[in-house]
Amino acid sequence: GAVVSQHPSWVICKSGTSVKIECRSLDFQATTMFWYRQFPKQSLMLMATSNEGSKATYEQGVEKDKFLINHASLTLSTLTVTSAHPEDSSFYICSARDLGGLNTQYFGPGTRLTVL
Amino acid sequence: DAKTTQPPSMDCAEGRAANLPCNHSTISGNEYVYWYRQIHSQGPQYIIHGLKNNETNEMASLIITEDRKSSTLILPHATLRDTAVYYCIVSGRNQGGKLIFGQGTELSVKP
Repeated sequence: GAVVSQHPSWVICKSGTSVKIECRSLDFQATTMFWYRQFPKQSLMLMATSNEGSKATYEQGVEKDKFLINHASLTLSTLTVTSAHPEDSSFYICSARDLGGLNTQYFGPGTRLTVL
Repeated sequence: DAKTTQPPSMDCAEGRAANLPCNHSTISGNEYVYWYRQIHSQGPQYIIHGLKNNETNEMASLIITEDRKSSTLILPHATLRDTAVYYCIVSGRNQGGKLIFGQGTELSVKP
């Protein structure tokens, strides 16, 4: 199946710093990628839809200035958590939609963010 | 909000078939039923999806009722590695391809 990677797999940072997470589709092109976050013992919550070459679309309640998304190529989307605070600590997961195959979304392994 | 209803948890004996139900009574004609699973602390894994017809792949079978209001995911011979949270998701063009996750079913496969 299609492979999606994320980097880093985990990160610890100090409060007030910014953290960038990369999401790559390794063997297919993805015009659309999605970003989710997941708190312990909860389900995934969709944060935003990232479209190659255009602005991301954010879900209600997600601060676009806090979570900056860039989708500069057909295989790479980045999520930057700006001025991170402890409440931003979470598991961030991306997915990429394979239009060439079954139009199915494939997920990355996730990034564990801990803000001290 | 998720458009599906699943039991919160199920147990299954190793080697037996695991049958995971999902209700999606408000599904519309152009929406697909997708199944994903998430093993602890990993990203979700795609299992299977379907529109009307039953589907089978190397991982599982998907049985969709004729009225499309419910479906069942079948893992034919469950192993301990199939222990995970299984998510049934309805999505189509109207959602722009978005997948909205509900709470899923936590499947425990026991020896």
